[in-house]
Amino acid sequence: EVQLVESGGGLVQPGGSLRLSCAASGFTFSRRWMTWVRQAPGKGLEWVANIKEDGSEKYYVDSVRGRFTISRDNAKNSLYLQMSSLRTEDTAVYYCAQGRGCDVWGQGTTVTVSS
Amino acid sequence: DVVLTQSPLSLPVTLGQPASISCRSSQSLVYSDGNTYLTWFQQRPGQSPRRLIYRVSKRDSGVPDRFSGSGSGTDFTLKISRVEADDVGIYYCMQDTPGPPWTFGQGTKVEIK
Repeated sequence: EVQLVESGGGLVQPGGSLRLSCAASGFTFSRRWMTWVRQAPGKGLEWVANIKEDGSEKYYVDSVRGRFTISRDNAKNSLYLQMSSLRTEDTAVYYCAQGRGCDVWGQGTTVTVSS
Repeated sequence: DVVLTQSPLSLPVTLGQPASISCRSSQSLVYSDGNTYLTWFQQRPGQSPRRLIYRVSKRDSGVPDRFSGSGSGTDFTLKISRVEADDVGIYYCMQDTPGPPWTFGQGTKVEIK
């Protein structure tokens, strides 16, 4: 069974940094693209970033490019999202998902950016 | 960027009756490989999203056959043949044509009358 478990969320002040992690199991992690999607409180889904199997290609939504960095460690079956220069509008539940098509989702981790 | 427009945004339905959600794209979702990358997700209250349909009409494992997807080019539809109480939630379409950015529709809230 595919499982994705996010961690690392929390409360951070504007301008601060946070690193999210996603632990994957139940599939060959190194053979799948991985994606981060977020959902602001009471809002819809927003694609944030994704990364190719070997990490050679990475894509970002315009609003986070230059502030967020997606990465992966295939030896540890883990996906990461390093977030810096955080803004109040980055407040959301962050989900990691398997594949570019978001085949399977984790339970999400909550990031709150507030002073 | 591809914009997906869903309608209606709110859909009250009677148990046992059919329901239909439209997703229209600002440009064709047919990719150069011949596939059309339109996906549907269900998000029940308090839960993570779950994929239901991919590539327009392919149902995921475990998804009841009362859910079906159809369409082509820029116009797509998710249909529920007979709505059950378990189907309450928000439904999103997403285009995952290879190449950024990937985009979602605004979501359609399905509730029981």
